[in-house]
Amino acid sequence: EVQLVESGGGVVRPGGSLRLSCVASGFTFDEYDMSWVRQAPGKGLEWVSGINWKGDSTGYADSVKGRFTISRDNAKKSLYVQMSSLRVEDTAFYYCARSYCSDGSCFWIDYWGQGTLVTVSS
Amino acid sequence: DIQLTQSPSFLSAFVGDRVIITCRASQSISGSLAWYQQKPGKAPKVLIFTASTLEGGVPSRFSGSDSGTEFTLTISGLQPEDFATYYCQHLNSFPYTFGQGTRLEIK
Repeated sequence: EVQLVESGGGVVRPGGSLRLSCVASGFTFDEYDMSWVRQAPGKGLEWVSGINWKGDSTGYADSVKGRFTISRDNAKKSLYVQMSSLRVEDTAFYYCARSYCSDGSCFWIDYWGQGTLVTVSS
Repeated sequence: DIQLTQSPSFLSAFVGDRVIITCRASQSISGSLAWYQQKPGKAPKVLIFTASTLEGGVPSRFSGSDSGTEFTLTISGLQPEDFATYYCQHLNSFPYTFGQGTRLEIK
């Protein structure tokens, strides 16, 4: 059974930093591209960042570019996002998500974690 | 970056109705578009990928189509369990943006 378990959420002051982690199980982690997706309470989905299976290609939403850094450790079957210069508008549930990709193209997100809540507040 | 404009943001319909949700891309995404359904407190579930391919187990009343940079999700014969929020997402290149979402409510 595919499982994605996030951790590291919490309350942080504006300008602060936080590192989220996601541990994967039930599939061959180093064969899959991964993403972080967030959803503020009562709001829509926002794709935050993604990384390919090797870890040598990354992408970011404009809203987090320069502040967030995605990374992965395939040996530990783990995905990370380092978040700095946090803003009130970064408050959201953050989901670890697996992409279904084939032959260099990705087609959809097929598994999601349960989410971890990040609250940025003074 | 590729932007997705999804409309309408809210839709009210009766059981049995046919509804259409549209997602417009700011540039070509080579058909690399997925549609998701999300119910409160749950993770999104993929319905359609590559614009028109139905995910296994998804009822055939859901269908997707594309015409260049305009994509549609059609639900024919709404069922009570279809009332949810729907999102489009492109996966053509980073960043993989989502549309703003369409909340479908029962009339």
